[in-house]
Amino acid sequence: DAKTTQPPSMDCAEGRAANLPCNHSTISGNEYVYWYRQIHSQGPQYIIHGLKNNETNEMASLIITEDRKSSTLILPHATLRDTAVYYCIVSVPRGNEKLTFGTGTRLTIIP
Amino acid sequence: DTGVSQDPRHKITKRGQNVTFRCDPISEHNRLYWYRQTLGQGPEFLTYFQNEAQLEKSRLLSDRFSAERPKGSFSTLEIQRTEQGDSAMYLCASSPDRVGNQPQHFGDGTRLSIL
Repeated sequence: DAKTTQPPSMDCAEGRAANLPCNHSTISGNEYVYWYRQIHSQGPQYIIHGLKNNETNEMASLIITEDRKSSTLILPHATLRDTAVYYCIVSVPRGNEKLTFGTGTRLTIIP
Repeated sequence: DTGVSQDPRHKITKRGQNVTFRCDPISEHNRLYWYRQTLGQGPEFLTYFQNEAQLEKSRLLSDRFSAERPKGSFSTLEIQRTEQGDSAMYLCASSPDRVGNQPQHFGDGTRLSIL
C-alpha cells in the first residue's frame, strides 16, 4: 500500500473551513484515497473516499490533485464536534482487506 | 442501532489470564476485520474474514491470538496467556462484499488493560 504523510496537528476556528492536507506521492493508479476520523474513545468513522474526481458528501469534500499525489479534506463549517484525529489512507478497493493507518492529523477546533 | 457492535467495551484482567472479545458486524456485511490500536498510534490490522473464512492474518497475530467467525456472522477474538504488551484497544470493522469501493465501518472497540 502507498504511504501517506499528514501534518501531526492543526487548529481551526469554529465556523471556518478546515482544510486537512495529505501527501500520497507513491499512490498507484487503482488506489483510492480514504479519509476516516477518530474521536476520543470511539472507533474510526468513515468520512469520504475518491479515486480521481473531487467528491462531496454531507460530511465533507475531498479534493484530489490532478496528478493524484496529494489530496485535501475540507470540512466546510467546522464545529467543536469535529475535533478528532483525521486519517488519510490509500487502498486498493477490491483488495481492501486491510487499511494501513498512519498517525493522522489531530485537528482541534477553537471556539 | 445497526452499526458494528463490540462487547465488552472495557476489560481489565491479570497477566496470564485468557480473554475473549466479541464483534457483531453490520447485518449482511460479509467481510469482518480486527485491528489493534495502542496509545498515540493509528489502528493496526490483525486479521480479516470473508464470511467464515479467515483469509489474512498479520504477523502481529501471534500464536496466543485466535479469531473465529464460525457461522459467518459474529466473530470472537481470544487472547491466551495475556501479557502486558497486549494492553490496547481492539477494534472490529465490517464491510459488504460487493464489487467496488466499499468502506469499512468500525465499532467503538474493546479496551483491554492488563494488570
